Amino acid sequence: AQTVTQSQPEMSVQEAETVTLSCTYDTSESDYYLFWYKQPPSRQMILVIRQEAYKQQNATENRFSVNFQKAAKSFSLKISDSQLGDAAMYFCAYRSVFQGAQKLVFGQGTRLTINP
Amino acid sequence: DGGITQSPKYLFRKEGQNVTLSCEQNLNHDAMYWYRQDPGQGLRLIYYSQIVNDFQKGDIAEGYSVSREKKESFPLTVTSAQKNPTAFYLCASSIRGGEDTQYFGPGTRLTVL
Repeated sequence: AQTVTQSQPEMSVQEAETVTLSCTYDTSESDYYLFWYKQPPSRQMILVIRQEAYKQQNATENRFSVNFQKAAKSFSLKISDSQLGDAAMYFCAYRSVFQGAQKLVFGQGTRLTINP
Repeated sequence: DGGITQSPKYLFRKEGQNVTLSCEQNLNHDAMYWYRQDPGQGLRLIYYSQIVNDFQKGDIAEGYSVSREKKESFPLTVTSAQKNPTAFYLCASSIRGGEDTQYFGPGTRLTVL
């Protein structure tokens, strides 16, 4: 079974600075999808970024980018120019590509605090 | 205005009662999911449905039931058999059940009194 580990329960960063959130995963599959979701105080899960394992190029979405290291099974999220609205829980998630593998496997989350 | 709606936002239940959580989407997505979130943990899959009139158990289906009579609706019933139902429940949907990204509703907080 696949597992996802987020080793940083809490992180903090000064506004306008850059922060990196760590995620490692364990799988025997060669193709899969990885995601970062943001959960603000409203508790709705919001997709931040998605990476397909067969793509070597790291995904980017505006101020958010990932460092995908397939061999190391590492998938970190970098947030540049941090803003107060970035404060939230961040969850890393894994999804298999195989038929019937419908679920997202989530890490336990990292709480990000932005200091003004 | 497309999206996923869940109701109610907060729900209180007495022990021994069944309760149904609503999830509706107008995104024309085929697949829908129910997840449970406990404090300090990530989400765990309860049930999912890839098409109307079909659904499959997830990792923690015991004490829950679902139906999928309409494409846009996927209600979750928390039965009295669920030993520890107090949690935050999130519904999600995706275009299909394969590689598509799952999008989430705002969630329902269930508290058993």
